[in-house]
Amino acid sequence: GAGVSQSPRYKVAKRGQDVALRCDPISGHVSLFWYQQALGQGPEFLTYFQNEAQLDKSGLPSDRFFAERPEGSVSTLKIQRTQQEDSAVYLCASSLDRQGDRETQYFGPGTRLLVL
Amino acid sequence: TQLLEQSPQFLSIQEGENLTVYCNSSSVFSSLQWYRQEPGEGPVLLVTVVTGGEVKKLKRLTFQFGDARKDSSLHITAAQPGDTGLYLCAGAKNTGFQKLVFGTGTRLLVSP
Repeated sequence: GAGVSQSPRYKVAKRGQDVALRCDPISGHVSLFWYQQALGQGPEFLTYFQNEAQLDKSGLPSDRFFAERPEGSVSTLKIQRTQQEDSAVYLCASSLDRQGDRETQYFGPGTRLLVL
Repeated sequence: TQLLEQSPQFLSIQEGENLTVYCNSSSVFSSLQWYRQEPGEGPVLLVTVVTGGEVKKLKRLTFQFGDARKDSSLHITAAQPGDTGLYLCAGAKNTGFQKLVFGTGTRLLVSP
């Protein structure tokens, strides 16, 4: 079956541009997570959705980062006025359980963002 | 800030050798997971350990969760080139959802 898909796979942006990264979770998965993975590092949690509700956004680095999941399926991570330190791979993961507790998270391939 | 430190950061070995990767923290986790990530892909779950002292085996891979649930190890026996990848540990706390704290990663290269 189809896994988590993300688009675009690669994005080059000039400093100051806005970008939007899309995540299509596995159909029927209730929980959705965004992570940021800097080069050579492990992923870091950004935000969590349960259906359309954003229940935790404690990992978002600044108010330039905004995530939404309006219909409880597809999610978009938006970064405004991109800066060079935003360059990273942005990973999306989904899981079936509504609580997300101890349920396997299935990761997408990520979007590699490079800000020049 | 990553609370889980992995060692070594990088390991290059020959096919057939054994290796151990360590994942350490000063925090207690309700469960700990190990993932493998290949270039251009997302992490793929290998195992979840939930009980202090627990040992799980997955073919040539042996995973152990520390008694105090603060650390873990991954041991690979007779490594093969297909084991090459980035190994990540990730801890979860009882936050009501699976908010994962990932380790710093160990990049393994197994040469034929």
